[in-house]
Amino acid sequence: DTGVSQNPRHKITKRGQNVTFRCDPISEHNRLYWYRQTLGQGPEFLTYFQNEAQLEKSRLLSDRFSAERPKGSFSTLEIQRTEQGDSAMYLCASSVPGLAGNTQYFGPGTRLTVL
Amino acid sequence: DQQVKQNSPSLSVQEGRISILNCDYTNSMFDYFLWYKKYPAEGPTFLISISSIKDKNEDGRFTVFLNKSAKHLSLHIVPSQPGDSAVYFCASNADKLIFGTGTRLQVFP
Repeated sequence: DTGVSQNPRHKITKRGQNVTFRCDPISEHNRLYWYRQTLGQGPEFLTYFQNEAQLEKSRLLSDRFSAERPKGSFSTLEIQRTEQGDSAMYLCASSVPGLAGNTQYFGPGTRLTVL
Repeated sequence: DQQVKQNSPSLSVQEGRISILNCDYTNSMFDYFLWYKKYPAEGPTFLISISSIKDKNEDGRFTVFLNKSAKHLSLHIVPSQPGDSAVYFCASNADKLIFGTGTRLQVFP
């Protein structure tokens, strides 16, 4: 299966710790997106890359959050000094711009719980 | 400021009947709309999309209708099946996706 993969699927951490998530997009997709979803809400955009360039960041992405896509393939999302409000599902998606309206395909997500 | 709205948090439909999920948007510049289905603890799964130059798109049991003058779209599922029970999100696409808050569909026997 060559869909979007995310690791880990679940992460439990204590407040103040750093966490890092990984996303592997569909291989031929040059755009990669990060979203966050909390209970009762739709996914909210965090940031996206075209190849290795980070093209947009949401104001939701505070200074404690950083995302990278160093070789234009996989991406990592790091949260430093986690807070309880960071508890959410973190979703990654990938796409080919211009193809069918830039339809994005999502991975299974990483569920973060901050104690 | 909610640019994409799903005003019905839940919908219950009998198996075999039609399910109609609604979505409203505010920005007339949006040019593409998508519907995703989400099961608990999984990522959203793409279902069907529609370009703003069309008013209808059909794929099997799923049909999406777009009314640009009313800034409204709807997803029709017919016939509904128990496996369709999930949360459905509509989204507009302008580089990034802007999602509604979702409608939980339950299809009962």
